[in-house]
Parts: sequence; structure tokens; C-alpha cells
Amino acid sequence: DVKVTQSSRYLVKRTGEKVFLECVQDMDHENMFWYRQDPGLGLRLIYFSYDVKMKEKGDIPEGYSVSREKKERFSLILESASTNQTSMYLCASTPGQGSYEQYFGPGTRLTVT
Amino acid sequence: EDKVVQSPLSLVVHEGDTVTLNCSYEVTNFRSLLWYKQEKKAPTFLFMLTSSGIEKKSGRLSSILDKKELSSILNITATQTGDSAIYLCAVESNSGYALNFGKGTSLLVTP
Repeated sequence: DVKVTQSSRYLVKRTGEKVFLECVQDMDHENMFWYRQDPGLGLRLIYFSYDVKMKEKGDIPEGYSVSREKKERFSLILESASTNQTSMYLCASTPGQGSYEQYFGPGTRLTVT
Repeated sequence: EDKVVQSPLSLVVHEGDTVTLNCSYEVTNFRSLLWYKQEKKAPTFLFMLTSSGIEKKSGRLSSILDKKELSSILNITATQTGDSAIYLCAVESNSGYALNFGKGTSLLVTP
């Protein structure tokens, strides 16, 4: 079974803090993704990576950065957290480009106060 | 710009009812359409559709793609309270790696 894990299920941070969300997959997948999910807006892609050290902006990259130093780990960084970044963050992975389903992690619910 | 639209946005039915959820898309270089079910946590995969007119089935759930109409439906027969969830439709194109998600349909099945 593919397993995608995220470092925290719930996180509370203060405005201006630097926040790291970690995602690890154990199936040697090439591609990894970060989404945020908000009521009424669905899942929106923040960043994705198709190889180690490679990254591409998604639909809403502003205020975020990512890091992929190892194939199994994809980190999402909020350089200076703001209240409008309060959301559910979902990580996903796929084996490679092609018609593969995305495997999702359990999500991190981040609250920025 | 690629677009995926789901309807209805929310739905309340009684146990035993049959429901049909809709997904329409405008995507350049369509590759596949996927359905996910999301309860209180991560989305779980239901179906992947690539060919028009071929029904995919899993128990009481089924789905079919109509490439001519650029749409798909997800049917759930004899609904149960455990079917209550958000159902997400996503479309993959040949030109990218990421999925383009619709906003989801929130289904509530009441006893």
C-alpha cells in the first residue's frame, strides 16, 4: 500500500511565523504535490515537483515556497504566515507522468492566528 | 484556462435513494478524469476514466465518461449514511502533471 504521511494533523501558528509542512511518501514516486482546500473553493494546487530539486508553481504559489532535497520528501514553507493561509493542506504523490491516480496524505489543518 | 465544474454543489437525500453527481470539464489535451471520495480526511480514489462510454463499477457506485459532451457522471444506488462525503472530480491533461479539481459535491444521506 502506498503511504503518504504528513508531519502534523493540526497546527496553530502566529502571524509572521515561518511554517514548515512536511510530506513523505514511501513508494519511490516521482511526482509530489501540495494543495490547499478551502470550503467552496475545492482543492487548489500550490506547487508540485516532478523530480528531486525540481519544482513548478501551481495555481496559487504566492506566499509559499517548497523544497525537495530527497525523492521521498516534499516540504511546503510559509515564509511569513498570514491569517489567509489558514486552511487544510493536502500532499499527494504519483509514480510518474501518465494516467495515475494521486495518493493523498491525511492533511494538515493549519490555523494562523 | 482549464475548468472543471461539478453539480450540484450540495445534495441531501434519504437512505435508499439513488443519486447522480455531475462533472463537466474544459481541458486542453484531455487525458483522464478521476473521481474521489472525501470524508473527514484525505480524498480516497474511486475511479479513473479515460475512454468514452465505458462504465466503471464498484459495488453501488458507477461512473461513465462522455468525451463528446465533455462530462462524466457518478451514480450511487441504494445510498447509505456512510456515503455521506464530498465527492471530487479531477481532470488530467497531457500537458501537465497536476490534476485540475472541481469544487466538489457535498452529499448528505439521512437515515
